[in-house]
Amino acid sequence: DSGVTQTPKHLITATGQRVTLRCSPRSGDLSVYWYQQSLDQGLQFLIQYYNGEERAKGNILERFSAQQFPDLHSELNLSSLELGDSALYFCASSVVPQAASGYTFGSGTRLTVV
Amino acid sequence: AQKITQTQPGMFVQEKEAVTLDCTYDTSDPSYGLFWYKQPSSGEMIFLIYQGSYDQQNATEGRYSLNFQKARKSANLVISASQLGDSAMYFCAMRVPGNQFYFGTGTSLTVIP
Repeated sequence: DSGVTQTPKHLITATGQRVTLRCSPRSGDLSVYWYQQSLDQGLQFLIQYYNGEERAKGNILERFSAQQFPDLHSELNLSSLELGDSALYFCASSVVPQAASGYTFGSGTRLTVV
Repeated sequence: AQKITQTQPGMFVQEKEAVTLDCTYDTSDPSYGLFWYKQPSSGEMIFLIYQGSYDQQNATEGRYSLNFQKARKSANLVISASQLGDSAMYFCAMRVPGNQFYFGTGTSLTVIP
């Protein structure tokens, strides 16, 4: 157990729907990162939050949004889902944004859009 | 442009032998960090090792070492004394200022008994 908790582990939904992925960072970590891993795109950085504020944005679609709450958990919202959104979504956390020790990843949420 | 390249889609190594997984990177930023992650078949991403661009010494973590050649822009991962449990996907990653992270496409390592 890495200490980063992601729920749900698996999600199957239909095109056009909206889903919310949840992440609880490791205790003491203030930064949360979201990544998408798909077969054709590899691992893509989506967005980062630090202590409730957005810090960096990567290849995140406008249909996707995220936030980090006061208790530091984070949610990634995916709307108007398309087949191509099927992927493994990872959350990672670190103490501070530039942590040299690397980021701790959760076990991921596997999203299947049918 | 920022880029991470892993040219070995798959590698095989005999148990107890050493193996080197290649990674080259491209960035114009003088300050960056290089990471290696392991992804077993169960899916989780496991941090292995980190090298900062200003670090003089190559990073080592147990059986893992990072062969950092700054002039060549390479950050190869060396795994010594391979074990069956080392069979997994390995990803090289780079963090640049602005906290953007870039991952390579990964190398699948299979350890043969």
